[in-house]
Amino acid sequence: AQKITQTQPGMFVQEKEAVTLDCTYDTSDPSYGLFWYKQPSSGEMIFLIYQGSYDQQNATEGRYSLNFQKARKSANLVISASQLGDSAMYFCAMREYNMYSGGGADGLTFGKGTHLIIQP
Amino acid sequence: DGGITQSPKYLFRKEGQNVTLSCEQNLNHDAMYWYRQDPGQGLRLIYYSQIVNDFQKGDIAEGYSVSREKKESFPLTVTSAQKNPTAFYLCASSIGSGGGSNEQFFGPGTRLTVL
Repeated sequence: AQKITQTQPGMFVQEKEAVTLDCTYDTSDPSYGLFWYKQPSSGEMIFLIYQGSYDQQNATEGRYSLNFQKARKSANLVISASQLGDSAMYFCAMREYNMYSGGGADGLTFGKGTHLIIQP
Repeated sequence: DGGITQSPKYLFRKEGQNVTLSCEQNLNHDAMYWYRQDPGQGLRLIYYSQIVNDFQKGDIAEGYSVSREKKESFPLTVTSAQKNPTAFYLCASSIGSGGGSNEQFFGPGTRLTVL
């Protein structure tokens, strides 16, 4: 079973509109972290936002916010007032905090991504 | 400037040859990672290292090897045993264990093509 599911392979959005990119996850660990990364055509991965499983409030970073619904195992990324420069691949990822390894340095599990295209 | 460098950006190799991809970071991070990305796919973890002289296999370690002799360096060798090595390889680093996000910072990647 996939641990991270991104159901939107591609999205077209008008400039200045808000965008919601979907992400659902699967874990039995009570402690985990959820990440969103942006990958422009250059290939480099850019960290956008993080949500810890015990965080009470949804994370926000500038125009990015994370709609975290723990019971539904959902961690959707919301981009407000989209810009042409937001066109890129977006990946949702998860780290499960393994009690044996200390967790913080374990690798991430990524979804397959959503290709977002902002149209003028 | 602090960051992660990967070299070379593009790499071509003949089938049956081993090749080593370089990854260097000057962020003073303890943990380093190697991921592989295939077209239209997300990243998959190959190996990671939480501390010098120690590393663990990720989800797709077969056909790869790593070393971590220095904190700032984590080279990846793609061996001839790797059945389908053509891919985009990304190196990352993070502070390491502990609380908080410990987000991973990525290098620019190496695109490996087997001829």
